[in-house]
Amino acid sequence: DAKTTQPPSMDCAEGRAANLPCNHSTISGNEYVYWYRQIHSQGPQYIIHGLKNNETNEMASLIITEDRKSSTLILPHATLRDTAVYYCIAITVGTASKLTFGTGTRLQVTL
Amino acid sequence: GAGVSQTPSNKVTEKGKYVELRCDPISGHTALYWYRQSLGQGPEFLIYFQGTGAADDSGLPNDRFFAVRPEGSVSTLKIQRTERGDSAVYLCASSPRPSGNNEQFFGPGTRLTVL
Repeated sequence: DAKTTQPPSMDCAEGRAANLPCNHSTISGNEYVYWYRQIHSQGPQYIIHGLKNNETNEMASLIITEDRKSSTLILPHATLRDTAVYYCIAITVGTASKLTFGTGTRLQVTL
Repeated sequence: GAGVSQTPSNKVTEKGKYVELRCDPISGHTALYWYRQSLGQGPEFLIYFQGTGAADDSGLPNDRFFAVRPEGSVSTLKIQRTERGDSAVYLCASSPRPSGNNEQFFGPGTRLTVL
């Protein structure tokens, strides 16, 4: 699976949009981009995934560049409960799909 | 509905002892994964079960680690002759298979401390 690169930390004011970038320049055509987050002392939680089209669900939006070398997770109205470590993972779907976590981005949402 | 549960939530043991960590996946999920997470790091894959069989155990660090899932539901991770370096949070996840969405549902983890 392709390696992903994320900034180690970001801050966001409550109520504002949080935009979390991820670089996956070596991603291959059959690899999806998945996002998980981990709130302190909990297990990781699935957020969203996509292949090449932008995706939106009740939690977030995922914007993937046309060349698929990078993506951005958008939390449209961040709350204090969104404070967590966010992981971007490239996965070849159809395989065992074990998750290879990096160190992620620690998002701190502040008042 | 009930999520993935793991017991115990905390385990403190002495170096050299044997420990068992239990995972109860979501009912009906055929895929089960074990990960371990050291402080400040992302979770690291250990082993994956599809049904009763270990489909991928490439992440087990050495032969002191072993996992079973005899009836295709509950799984037990077993660690022999524990070492201080085994201290970590051990996470279990399950996933419905086959599924077009490889979402994994994680339990809260077991925090293992080896003194």
